[in-house]
Formats: sequence, structure tokens, C-alpha cells
Amino acid sequence: EPEVTQTPSHQVTQMGQEVILRCVPISNHLYFYWYRQILGQKVEFLVSFYNNEISEKSEIFDDQFSVERPDGSNFTLKIRSTKLEDSAMYFCASAPGQTTNSPLHFGNGTRLTVT
Amino acid sequence: KDQVFQPSTVASSEGAVVEIFCNHSVSNAYNFFWYLHFPGCAPRLLVKGSKPSQQGRYNMTYERFSSSLLILQVREADAAVYYCAACYGQNFVFGPGTRLSVLP
Repeated sequence: EPEVTQTPSHQVTQMGQEVILRCVPISNHLYFYWYRQILGQKVEFLVSFYNNEISEKSEIFDDQFSVERPDGSNFTLKIRSTKLEDSAMYFCASAPGQTTNSPLHFGNGTRLTVT
Repeated sequence: KDQVFQPSTVASSEGAVVEIFCNHSVSNAYNFFWYLHFPGCAPRLLVKGSKPSQQGRYNMTYERFSSSLLILQVREADAAVYYCAACYGQNFVFGPGTRLSVLP
């Protein structure tokens, strides 16, 4: 069964550094998402992406964050200047989208640790 | 504000039927999605829809603004976090998750 893949599984970075989290969504999916989960807290929506542009974003997704689909297969989340509070598990998800309410398929996540 | 509500914890005995309740205030949402999440793994879709439905041991009840996930014949391996999400179009609002503990 096709799956969403995320790399790396664990990323350690220093505060103030830029980090790029990578995702390869399922190939025929049209909608792409990033969620994060701070340790011990709930899964939080960051951003959704459709037709090469952001379709919705949360209050968390400020100017430090950006997303890109550079080559038609990868979907990346960039954090420009990481803060300690950005430490979390980041989940990428994709959805087929050919019909409404098509389900999200999640990757295994990237654990980001900011020191 | 669009919100989804779930109990933070539920406990059950092995072999029992456990119910996890969810309700929301998302005015445009007509569909529920129930996900299972083991730490370190991808959240996995269990059951979804805008009507009562069943997938294996997982049953979903449906009302306009509420749903319950029922897990039949609960096992120790079912101990995990269960997320309810309300969906409109392709927008998902997740609840805070319910941690299920299973007593032997």
C-alpha cells in the first residue's frame, strides 16, 4: 500500500538555525498538510496546500514557516530561525481529494529537537 | 470558534466494549474521522463518514455534531491515543485525543 514518507526521522538543530523537513506524499494525492505535536500535547494543524498554494494555515504558521512543493513529488516545511518551542513531532499528511472529505494519510513524522 | 471535544482518558477492561465520545462546534462539518495513534508511528484511519459505520472491531455512531467510536473486544494492544476529527471539504479539525488504557 502506498504511504507517505518523511525524512529525517529525527532532526537536531541549534536555536536560530534554519531547518527543512521533507515529505514525499502519496503520488496521486492532491492535498498536502503539515501537523505538529509537542510532546504530551495534542496534534495541531499548521498548514494545508493545494494546487501549488497554501489553502489554509493556522495561527502557529507564522512568517518563520514556509512550505514548498519544489519538484512535484516532495513537500517541504521550512522553519527559518528555529526556537526552542519549535521542538515537536512534525507530521506530513496527504489526501486524494478527488472527492470531498477524502481521508488524510499520515507519515511517521519527523522529531525536531531544538537545542 | 471551531473546536472538537473528546475526553482526555478512557479506561476499559480486556474483552469489553469501550466507547470514546466526540462532539464538535464546527458548523460546516458533516463528517467524522477517527484515527488511532501509537507514539512514533503515523496516525492511522480507523473509520469515517457521515453515517454510522463499521470497520472490523471499530464502530462509529453518528449524530450531526457528535460521534462515538466503539471498540469491540478490547485488547491490551489497543492502548493508544484515539483522535476524532471533524471535516468539511478538505479541512480537518482534530480533537485533543483520548488516551485509552486497557486493564488486564
